[in-house]
Amino acid sequence: AQSVSQHNHHVILSEAASLELGCNYSYGGTVNLFWYVQYPGQHLQLLLKYFSGDPLVKGIKGFEAEFIKSKFSFNLRKPSVQWSDTAEYFCAVGNSGGYQKVTFGTGTKLQVIP
Amino acid sequence: EPEVTQTPSHQVTQMGQEVILRCVPISNHLYFYWYRQILGQKVEFLVSFYNNEISEKSEIFDDQFSVERPDGSNFTLKIRSTKLEDSAMYFCASSPGHSYGYTFGSGTRLTVV
Repeated sequence: AQSVSQHNHHVILSEAASLELGCNYSYGGTVNLFWYVQYPGQHLQLLLKYFSGDPLVKGIKGFEAEFIKSKFSFNLRKPSVQWSDTAEYFCAVGNSGGYQKVTFGTGTKLQVIP
Repeated sequence: EPEVTQTPSHQVTQMGQEVILRCVPISNHLYFYWYRQILGQKVEFLVSFYNNEISEKSEIFDDQFSVERPDGSNFTLKIRSTKLEDSAMYFCASSPGHSYGYTFGSGTRLTVV
């Protein structure tokens, strides 16, 4: 069975600080990896995804994530956060099969202070 | 940008009643999913649906739950006899294929009283 761990439950940063949110997964086969964001009062949105190829993936709003297979990690980064990045961030892993059930981590609440 | 539409946005129901949560996936998508998020907890997989049948379901998706695609556009989740612990945000999602991420709907907040 696949599982996802997000180490930081709540992160508080000042604007312009750099962000790195940790994500580790376990799964025996080929994985697809995702980061989703949920802004306050809104639905889940896809930030970025990794399926294959370049392990450094760029997503929307200046976010990127690096897949490190040897560490089973897929950490999310942003060089300079803004107040509007305040949200909850979910790492997720999917099996690469056709139905692609996705397992979510517990989420990290990011609060950016102006 | 195409959206997954869910209705209603909030439903309150009495324990033991049946509820139907409705979703309209993106029109050319082939895979459909229901997830739920109990307040303060993580997003949990309920069921996936492909080619007019359930392809996978979780332990949560027991006999009180069912899904249907009655008319080729709507995708519904029925909870037959609601319990207090069914109170959660229910998200519908669809995907065109396994090389893509999901598009999620805005969710239905179900409150069982």
